[in-house]
Amino acid sequence: KAGVTQTPRYLIKTRGQQVTLSCSPISGHRSVSWYQQTPGQGLQFLFEYFSETQRNKGNFPGRFSGRQFSNSRSEMNVSTLELGDSALYLCASSFTGGETEAFFGQGTRLTVV
Amino acid sequence: SQELEQSPQSLIVQEGKNLTINCTSSKTLYGLYWYKQKYGEGLIFLMMLQKGGEEKSHEKITAKLDEKKQQSSLHITASQPSHAGIYLCGAASTGNQFYFGTGTSLTVIP
Repeated sequence: KAGVTQTPRYLIKTRGQQVTLSCSPISGHRSVSWYQQTPGQGLQFLFEYFSETQRNKGNFPGRFSGRQFSNSRSEMNVSTLELGDSALYLCASSFTGGETEAFFGQGTRLTVV
Repeated sequence: SQELEQSPQSLIVQEGKNLTINCTSSKTLYGLYWYKQKYGEGLIFLMMLQKGGEEKSHEKITAKLDEKKQQSSLHITASQPSHAGIYLCGAASTGNQFYFGTGTSLTVIP
């Protein structure tokens, strides 16, 4: 079966702009989680969506938001980009989230200049 | 919040050598996952451990979860260059959050 697909793979934006990243989960999976990975902070949880509802949110500012559509595809939006937002953004899908096995996409490498 | 500490932070080994990576949790683990990541790419699921004392193997990689369920180890036998990458342990907590360890960077020298 097809894996988790993230688009785009690479993105370069300037400070102050906004960006939208997309994640298509594995068919049948209803939970999508987003993570930010930076050399200094490692992998950090952003938020998790299940059946179009945000179930949990990590400790990120309100500039980071997301949504999930009825087909379980999810988008993540970052507004007013800062240099520190440069990171690899990973999404993971699973059947129900929590302790079920999560499958990760290849990630979107965002560079803010 | 749950914290997962991995050691060592980085490892450089000669091809053919065995190695062990540890993951220690600040809380009891109810499910411990091991992932491998190539630089700049997504995570590849290796295995999941749930029961205290459980041990699983896949090819030359063996992972164990200790009886008290607060520590896990990942052991690679006869390492190969293909084993190189970043190894991450992860655990789910209440509230559907998933936490990752600090990561261990493995380099295998041919």
